[in-house]
Amino acid sequence: EVQLVESGGGLIQPGRSLRLSCTASGFTFSDYAMSWVRQAPGKGLEWVGFIRKKDHGGTTEYAASVKGRFTISRDDSKSIAYLQMNSLKTEDTAVYYCKAGTTFDDYWGQGTQVTVSS
Amino acid sequence: DVVMTQSPLSLPVTLGQPASISCRSSQSLAYSDGNTYLNWFQQRPGQSPRRLIYKVSNRDSGVPDRFSGSGSGTDFTLKISRVEAEDVGVYYCMQGTLWPYSFGQGTKLEIK
Repeated sequence: EVQLVESGGGLIQPGRSLRLSCTASGFTFSDYAMSWVRQAPGKGLEWVGFIRKKDHGGTTEYAASVKGRFTISRDDSKSIAYLQMNSLKTEDTAVYYCKAGTTFDDYWGQGTQVTVSS
Repeated sequence: DVVMTQSPLSLPVTLGQPASISCRSSQSLAYSDGNTYLNWFQQRPGQSPRRLIYKVSNRDSGVPDRFSGSGSGTDFTLKISRVEAEDVGVYYCMQGTLWPYSFGQGTKLEIK
């Protein structure tokens, strides 16, 4: 059974840092691009960024709203993707989903809540 | 950046009746490899999103055949042939052709 489990969310003050983890099981992690998508309260879906699989260079892309503050990485030996979030702002408050994808497969985690507030 | 515009934003439908959602992109989603990376997602209340359709018209595994996708270039449509109670939720189109990838605003389907 495919599972993606996000962890690391919580309440954090503006300007601080937080690292989210996405632990995968049930599929060959290294074959998938890993993405982070967020959803602010009562709002739609917004891409945060993604990391390509190593066969495709393992490179990353970021939304303009987080570029320079957020970093996505992966550890294929542990089947974990990370989202390092620095200099957090109140507008980063959202449920953060990790997503594993190929053209033909698409898996989502249950999401983890990040609340940025003083 | 590519802007995705969905209509309608609210869609009340009678059980057993068809439903249709339109999605328009601000530029062509045809990629140089010949594919068009337009996907449709469903988000049921309190759940994570789930992909229904990829590359315009391909149903994901386990998706009922009452869901179908069509379109090309900048105009795309998701159709549900006969709405069932489990179809309640928000539907998003999403383009994966040009970075930054982008979602439409979402269409909320409810039962009349």
